[in-house]
Amino acid sequence: EAGVVQSPRYKIIEKKQPVAFWCNPISGHNTLYWYLQNLGQGPELLIRYENEEAVDDSQLPKDRFSAERLKGVDSTLKIQPAELGDSAVYLCASSLSGEQFFGPGTRLTVL
Amino acid sequence: AQSVSQHNHHVILSEAASLELGCNYSYGGTVNLFWYVQYPGQHLQLLLKYFSGDPLVKGIKGFEAEFIKSKFSFNLRKPSVQWSDTAEYFCAVNQAAGNKLTFGGGTRVLVKP
Repeated sequence: EAGVVQSPRYKIIEKKQPVAFWCNPISGHNTLYWYLQNLGQGPELLIRYENEEAVDDSQLPKDRFSAERLKGVDSTLKIQPAELGDSAVYLCASSLSGEQFFGPGTRLTVL
Repeated sequence: AQSVSQHNHHVILSEAASLELGCNYSYGGTVNLFWYVQYPGQHLQLLLKYFSGDPLVKGIKGFEAEFIKSKFSFNLRKPSVQWSDTAEYFCAVNQAAGNKLTFGGGTRVLVKP
């Protein structure tokens, strides 16, 4: 069974540029999560989807971050414009019930 | 809001030594508890989980964890570590009725050969 797929694995951009990350969850998992992981810290939830609906986006900085999961399967997280402080690893996870499975993450570097 | 604290940020030990990593959480209701591991260059993987039942949980690779409700703790243990256990370990908690997983800050474990 394929795991959670994320792309790209690495992204380097200049500040003020837009960037997008893509996630394909494990087949059949209706819950999808985006996390932010800063260096030396644990992941922090940005947004959680139940199928197409964003049910918890309280930690998403909505002035520059957006996300979508149009067909209830794969999802895109966007930052526009990126700031230096956005440099981090962006993790996607999915679950069916309880246990979350994580993807490899996208390491973003903003110069 | 729930929070999770891991007491040690870094642990260095030799092969065959015993390992115990502390984890405490703040939520007072029914919780699900997890330990995840992240090996160098790899993604987060589940080591073990506790939902209910026997508070002593056995996971993969010889790890176990004990849920002590009165202490709000879920400490991870391994009697004899190997060099391949070098990784970062994360404790995580979610409310039993919800899906929001809160992670601790992680503990980096270095096992010297």
